[in-house]
Amino acid sequence: SAVISQKPSRDICQRGTSLTIQCQVDSQVTMMFWYRQQPGQSLTLIATANQGSEATYESGFVIDKFPISRPNLTFSTLTVSNMSPEDSSIYLCSGMKVETQYFGPGTRLLVL
Amino acid sequence: GQNIDQPTEMTATEGAIVQINCTYQTSGFNGLFWYQQHAGEAPTFLSYNVLDGLEEKGRFSSFLSRSKGYSYLLLKELQMKDSASYLCAVRLNDYKLSFGAGTTVTVRA
Repeated sequence: SAVISQKPSRDICQRGTSLTIQCQVDSQVTMMFWYRQQPGQSLTLIATANQGSEATYESGFVIDKFPISRPNLTFSTLTVSNMSPEDSSIYLCSGMKVETQYFGPGTRLLVL
Repeated sequence: GQNIDQPTEMTATEGAIVQINCTYQTSGFNGLFWYQQHAGEAPTFLSYNVLDGLEEKGRFSSFLSRSKGYSYLLLKELQMKDSASYLCAVRLNDYKLSFGAGTTVTVRA
């Protein structure tokens, strides 16, 4: 299995600011992803974090708003830029290892 | 687009059995996952099916029929702690997961 940690676990931010979320996996994973879960809803994929290259974004998500880095096989960051109240959500990091996909505990973000 | 359907809510009694169905129509298929998610927590992996048939893991079993685009998660000997949301997710050919809306299971004493 893979154990995934995220920092911060939660934050309250002012609109117009940016927040960077860190994701650390305890062992190498082949793929890493970032998801968003809005209140009362299921998970939506934001992007695939590619090691050493630009992330691959899903429809409706753009690099300027959600820049992602993945410098190595066990670490990734997601930045939520120029935040608005609509960005209030839970952001989850995920890693795939041996056919199974595991999730971090999530970062609860509230934008005022 | 991807279409993954599962019931919104189910209620069952402690000690009983509940079956959560999931039907899917997706542009690709590379396996089906079931996750459990308690309120305020991250999804926890329960099962993964890539071939047709039944996979049993203790009180939880998962079934897949690829020809029918159908899966179910069977929870036996329900316990109060099983009250949670259960998420069906299809892995597409590029390894991305597409999730259903989730089924909230409430276990009553």
